[in-house]
Amino acid sequence: SQQGEEDPQALSIQEGENATMNCSYKTSINNLQWYRQNSGRGLVHLILIRSNEREKHSGRLRVTLDTSKKSSSLLITASRAADTASYFCATGMRGDDKIIFGKGTRLHILP
Amino acid sequence: DAGVIQSPRHEVTEMGQEVTLRCKPISGHDYLFWYRQTMMRGLELLIYFNNNVPIDDSGMPEDRFSAKMPNASFSTLKIQPSEPRDSAVYFCASSFKVRETQYFGPGTRLLVL
Repeated sequence: SQQGEEDPQALSIQEGENATMNCSYKTSINNLQWYRQNSGRGLVHLILIRSNEREKHSGRLRVTLDTSKKSSSLLITASRAADTASYFCATGMRGDDKIIFGKGTRLHILP
Repeated sequence: DAGVIQSPRHEVTEMGQEVTLRCKPISGHDYLFWYRQTMMRGLELLIYFNNNVPIDDSGMPEDRFSAKMPNASFSTLKIQPSEPRDSAVYFCASSFKVRETQYFGPGTRLLVL
C-alpha cells in the first residue's frame, strides 16, 4: 500500500525560479526521505528528516516536516537545468523495516 | 566505493524464458532491497533481506519470482517463466541501517517479448 503521495504530479518552471513539491502521508512515521531520479538512472538520496525535526537544509534544498498535518515539502531554490528529474518522498514507519515510496513529482526546468 | 552494482543493465528475452538479475550491494550494508518500477505502478518493493535472510517477500507478485542472497555481497532475482507483463526496470538497493538512506543501483531494464 502506498504511504506517501507527492503533489503536484508534474511541474514546469523557468530556470532560476524556486520549485516546491509536497508529500502527504497517512500513518505515523519515524522519518521521511526525499530522493531524485534522473531519466533512466537509479534513485539518489537527497535528504532525510526525522519525525522530531521540523526543517532541514542541504545546499539549495530545504525540507520541512509537519507531523500534525502529515505532510512534508521539498523546496529547490534557484533551479538549474540539471534539476530536471523526478522527485520521490519515502516514509519510514515505526515498527516497519522498509520505507515506502510515493509515485513522484516530475520536475522540468525550462531554459 | 563502487556503489551498488547490477547486471545486466539491459535484458531482452522471449516469453517463457528464465531471467536472472544480479546485484552486489555496498560492502558493510546489512539490508538489501529489490524494487520494480513501471509507469503504471511506480516503484514497488518486491523483497528485502537483512543479513542475507529474506525478511519480507510480500511484494513478490507470484511464484514465478524468486530471490536469493547466498552471501553478503551477492543477490539474485529470478523470474521463471517470464511474461510480457514483467517488463519493467528492476532496482537493487542497499542500506546500512533499517529505515535509513538507501543506495540504489543503476537498474536492469527488462523487456519480455
